[in-house]
Amino acid sequence: DAGITQSPRHKVTETGTPVTLRCHQTENHRYMYWYRQDPGHGLRLIHYSYGVKDTDKGEVSDGYSVSRSKTEDFLLTLESATSSQTSVYFCAVTMADTQYFGPGTRLTVL
Amino acid sequence: GQQLNQSPQSMFIQEGEDVSMNCTSSSIFNTWLWYKQDPGEGPVLLIALYKAGELTSNGRLTAQFGITRKDSFLNISASIPSDVGIYFCAGHYTGGSEKLVFGKGTKLTVNP
Repeated sequence: DAGITQSPRHKVTETGTPVTLRCHQTENHRYMYWYRQDPGHGLRLIHYSYGVKDTDKGEVSDGYSVSRSKTEDFLLTLESATSSQTSVYFCAVTMADTQYFGPGTRLTVL
Repeated sequence: GQQLNQSPQSMFIQEGEDVSMNCTSSSIFNTWLWYKQDPGEGPVLLIALYKAGELTSNGRLTAQFGITRKDSFLNISASIPSDVGIYFCAGHYTGGSEKLVFGKGTKLTVNP
């Protein structure tokens, strides 16, 4: 258990609205990640963070921004949600050269 | 970007049978990880491999880091119904920093 929680666990929103997903960890992990998971695509990296205020893009970063103002929280923001962003979003942390995942957030954009 | 080829995509087996799945890459990997994902939950780490040739077991699960460092396999012996789920391989490739590359998963169905 890497001490990861995600909130909300489920969200339904409308196209064009802003959405923020939160990842919270309690074990002072330096690296944190946001992935999305879609049928046929597996897990794809959106953004990651290697420290407070230090973030970088993954392979599917368009339409997403992140922030990390303190070690324990990594926020993923969809500035203007689109239907193509309907997905399951997972947060992960690195511990001992492996990644551990949170329980996920199911986001539906209508 | 880097890609992992995971096969098979899906498997339908009878309880008690052994299962084998594998991942291959075009690049040299420094670590290989195997995860299992149950419906509605996040992937859970099963086995981590760090050295070429390494063979590691976790109960009925056995995984190996290929000698060429471009492949890995996972075996499940004497399958049981709770083995149902999606199994993912993942790894760090040389020069890839802290980012993992994932296979697309093997969906396992076990018939009682």
